[in-house]
Amino acid sequence: QKEVEQDPGPLSVPEGAIVSLNCTYSNSAFQYFMWYRQYSRKGPELLMYTYSSGNKEDGRFTAQVDKSSKYISLFIRDSQPSDSATYLCAMSADLSGTYKYIFGTGTRLKVLA
Amino acid sequence: DTEVTQTPKHLVMGMTNKKSLKCEQHMGHRAMYWYKQKAKKPPELMFVYSYEKLSINESVPSRFSPECPNSSLLNLHLHALQPEDSALYLCASSLSGTGSYEQYFGPGTRLTVT
Repeated sequence: QKEVEQDPGPLSVPEGAIVSLNCTYSNSAFQYFMWYRQYSRKGPELLMYTYSSGNKEDGRFTAQVDKSSKYISLFIRDSQPSDSATYLCAMSADLSGTYKYIFGTGTRLKVLA
Repeated sequence: DTEVTQTPKHLVMGMTNKKSLKCEQHMGHRAMYWYKQKAKKPPELMFVYSYEKLSINESVPSRFSPECPNSSLLNLHLHALQPEDSALYLCASSLSGTGSYEQYFGPGTRLTVT
């Protein structure tokens, strides 16, 4: 079993739709949960991070973490064609001095005008 | 200056060549990272320098050799690479040392080994 699982998509939605992107993980030691956006042929760009369980909102983006279910989500409201990209979840943990930073496989999102 | 820069953008090299990738940041970040990303795959961590000391080496083959000359610069020296090493090589930095959750990525160097 992979430590982080993410549906690769592609996910196609009409402009203005609410998008839900998700990741599951197996290692309960993960402490920080990040979402990155990566456009084609570019480096990943950090969108949001959360620590432990709960919600965090930033503009059209909301990140949720449910540590009891080992499940994280990113919601995009009023999606725009410019949101078309690959969205990667990432998780980090410091395990007795051993650092882990693991990315999900990424979900390709296409927002249709 | 809030960006990580990488040079070159593209590199084609033969299996007997020696080349280097360069990464630079002027954000005062104290940790710098090298990642390898194959097409349609997530980035995979290769090396981490924290406060200019190599703190993580994820069992990367010795044909990849990292170097951190100072807190703003990170190099990746390449020698005797294999075609399967062709990938996008990403550099990232973070404010504090190893363990930071917030990483800033450069645009990457697209490497092709022939």
